[in-house]
Amino acid sequence: SYVLTQPPSVSVAPGKTARIPCGGNNIGSKSVHWYQQKPGQAPVLVIDHDSDRPSGIPERFSGSNSGNTATLTISRVEAGDEADYYCQVWDSTSDWVFGGGTKLTVL
Amino acid sequence: EVQLVESGGGLVQPGGSLRISCAASGFSFSTYSMNWVRQAPGKGLEWISWIDSSSSTIYYADSVRGQFTISRDNAKNSLYLEMNRLRAEDTAVYYCARDRGYDFRSGPNDYWGQGTLVIVSS
Repeated sequence: SYVLTQPPSVSVAPGKTARIPCGGNNIGSKSVHWYQQKPGQAPVLVIDHDSDRPSGIPERFSGSNSGNTATLTISRVEAGDEADYYCQVWDSTSDWVFGGGTKLTVL
Repeated sequence: EVQLVESGGGLVQPGGSLRISCAASGFSFSTYSMNWVRQAPGKGLEWISWIDSSSSTIYYADSVRGQFTISRDNAKNSLYLEMNRLRAEDTAVYYCARDRGYDFRSGPNDYWGQGTLVIVSS
């Protein structure tokens, strides 16, 4: 089965840049989607197909994917960005797989 | 405005059955594939099932195959999940999510409902 590995937590000061990695075997050959989930709320799509930003998502959110790591980057972090972030890919051995999630804390 | 509203969750005894629903509005439901995704308390997201727009193709995660059944009624703009032989580990918030992709492998899930909580306990 295919496994996506995310750090449990990432901390960043307001105004700085947060980078949330998502590791997987040759993930660079797959298409990665990212979701933001605030407490008590449903997930929200923030990046799809590695680096596409859906309508309504701030330009501060960006994504990249290469080799064994995909990365969600949030520039000029705001308090409102504090949330859990999940990466997702499709794999032939596991179908749809989510990473374990990363809790972003804004200091 | 796209809206997905789940309902039908609740407390069910181990071994019991439950059907949850997802009412869709604000888009052409019959042209989109749909997913069910669940989240156990304090845990991450788990994809459990996908159905294409015409119900002709269905996929399940190994963890629920043979136990859960996904279906839809395009005339009623509704998605369903029939859950049987429920176990404590099925306790979770169940989300329906619209699939924006052109096939099962594409994704993403671009809209999600608020979820319905299913608790399996005696």
